Amino acid sequence: QKEVEQNSGPLSVPEGAIASLNCTYSDRGSQSFFWYRQYSGKSPELIMFIYSNGDKEDGRFTAQLNKASQYVSLLIRDSQPSDSATYLCAVRGMRFGAGTRLTVKP
Amino acid sequence: GAVVSQHPSWVICKSGTSVKIECRSLDFQATTMFWYRQFPKQSLMLMATSNEGSKATYEQGVEKDKFLINHASLTLSTLTVTSAHPEDSSFYICSARYVFGSGSSDTQYFGPGTRLTVL
Repeated sequence: QKEVEQNSGPLSVPEGAIASLNCTYSDRGSQSFFWYRQYSGKSPELIMFIYSNGDKEDGRFTAQLNKASQYVSLLIRDSQPSDSATYLCAVRGMRFGAGTRLTVKP
Repeated sequence: GAVVSQHPSWVICKSGTSVKIECRSLDFQATTMFWYRQFPKQSLMLMATSNEGSKATYEQGVEKDKFLINHASLTLSTLTVTSAHPEDSSFYICSARYVFGSGSSDTQYFGPGTRLTVL
């Protein structure tokens, strides 16, 4: 089992819709979780991090963490074409999932 | 967020030559830096963890004699690809560990990456 698993996608949503990106992890002792966005040909940039169970909101982005289910997700509200990118989930220990490619169609 | 720079942003070299890539944390000290490699349409692959003042820790399958890492200061780590071959052509990305919250939390910030092409 991989340490961090993500659906590779591609995930396609219409502009204005909510995009939901999911990630599961294997190490039950993990405490910190990060979401990065990577545009094609660019390096990843940090979007959000979350440590506690529940939701954390930052603008159009909401990270959700459920440690019991070993599950973390990222919701993007009012998706824009500029949100089209690969989204990487990372768990402390610098282990990344393979990333989910998101396309937001105008 | 914190800033990490990489130099050069791209490099083209002949097969058999060595290439050095620099990674700098510009506004914070980083005791730990990471080197990744990414092939087109593939995920990030961690190559090694670079610790200031000590030897780097390489991931399984990464040749330490081919990918030399030096972390001589709290703001600089270098990756040297020795005797580069076309199969080493890739996007090399560094990141620096940023500690916050009185040391109880950390994340990493990425450099912009270096695109290496070996002819």
